[in-house]
Amino acid sequence: EPEVTQTPSHQVTQMGQEVILRCVPISNHLYFYWYRQILGQKVEFLVSFYNNEISEKSEIFDDQFSVERPDGSNFTLKIRSTKLEDSAMYFCASRLSGTSGTEQYFGPGTRLTVT
Amino acid sequence: ILNVEQSPQSLHVQEGDSTNFTCSFPSSNFYALHWYRWETAKSPEALFVMTLNGDEKKKGRISATLNTKEGYSYLYIKGSQPEDSATYLCASYDGSSNTGKLIFGQGTTLQVKP
Repeated sequence: EPEVTQTPSHQVTQMGQEVILRCVPISNHLYFYWYRQILGQKVEFLVSFYNNEISEKSEIFDDQFSVERPDGSNFTLKIRSTKLEDSAMYFCASRLSGTSGTEQYFGPGTRLTVT
Repeated sequence: ILNVEQSPQSLHVQEGDSTNFTCSFPSSNFYALHWYRWETAKSPEALFVMTLNGDEKKKGRISATLNTKEGYSYLYIKGSQPEDSATYLCASYDGSSNTGKLIFGQGTTLQVKP
């Protein structure tokens, strides 16, 4: 069964460093997302991506964040200069179509720890 | 702002017990409700997508109902097994932006003791 994959599973970085989190969505899906969950809090939306551009971003997704789909298969989230408060589990998700009843498939997450 | 709430936060049951938990969401401008089952170190697994008031869906021993007029959904597990131990997340489709983003509740963590 097709699945969303994410690498690495765990990333430890120092404050101020750049990190790139990688995702491979399901191959025929068209809509892509990043979410995150800070420990003890709700899963929260970061950004959606469709047709090679950002379709929506949350208030969290400031200039330190960027997303790319460089080669038609990978979908990356870059944090330019990490802060302690960026420590969280980051989930990538994808879905096939734009209707509200379409399932959204999630990867297993990357746990980012900023020290 | 769309707010989704789940209760209880955690639940401990014995093997064989049936259990249920609640997801509450705004009833106005409802589009769809998603249920996920999430085990640590694994991908959240899509259980159900529910769109119609009165919907009832079933997958093995797990079932869900939807009441869009009053803004809640129940998830039921019949005859809980230790392998049902997981966090159950619900999420409402935010139709205000039409980008497909989901707004999540805080989850209900279920522990089933053998």
